[in-house]
Amino acid sequence: EAQVTQNPRYLITVTGKKLTVTCSQNMNHEYMSWYRQDPGLGLRQIYYSMNVEVTDKGDVPEGYKVSRKEKRNFPLILESPSPNQTSLYFCASSLSQGFQETQYFGPGTRLLVL
Amino acid sequence: QKEVEQDPGPLSVPEGAIVSLNCTYSNSAFQYFMWYRQYSRKGPELLMYTYSSGNKEDGRFTAQVDKSSKYISLFIRDSQPSDSATYLCAINTNAGKSTFGDGTTLTVKP
Repeated sequence: EAQVTQNPRYLITVTGKKLTVTCSQNMNHEYMSWYRQDPGLGLRQIYYSMNVEVTDKGDVPEGYKVSRKEKRNFPLILESPSPNQTSLYFCASSLSQGFQETQYFGPGTRLLVL
Repeated sequence: QKEVEQDPGPLSVPEGAIVSLNCTYSNSAFQYFMWYRQYSRKGPELLMYTYSSGNKEDGRFTAQVDKSSKYISLFIRDSQPSDSATYLCAINTNAGKSTFGDGTTLTVKP
């Protein structure tokens, strides 16, 4: 089954404790992206990756890091989480940046930073 | 000013009504125009995708793009209670940058 998986699905942590949210896709997609969704603010792109070792900033990259060492994985790293990073996070992938009609979203990771 | 502005809603209509959802954008570099539907506690799912001005139909859904006015719309005909969800417009550049509207929550009442 074609899918994007995220782990963990729910996470409660404390300010300053480094965490990683994993994202994996099994569709051999080139393009992957991270978003955060906050009430009244829609989805905002954090980082995206056009291919292995190619990443770029979205609209809200501050406080986040990503890496793309393998095609299937695109982890999101919060080096020193703060309460304003409490949000619902979605990972997505598509065949390429020019074929957004095939963009698949993961189930979401709900993060609470105390 | 946001690069993508979406009519905020919420919107409540009776079953069978025609629904119009709208977004405007400011960046001429935007090339790909999409509408997503998001049910509560789920990730967005792509409904419609287009990259040119004009209309694109898919069943009860019609996506309309007017690049000269920087205006996009989604029309839902014969709306059903199962259409109740939040609808998000999204616009992408060719370089992969993706900008979403804030979403419009639609409720279709039986």
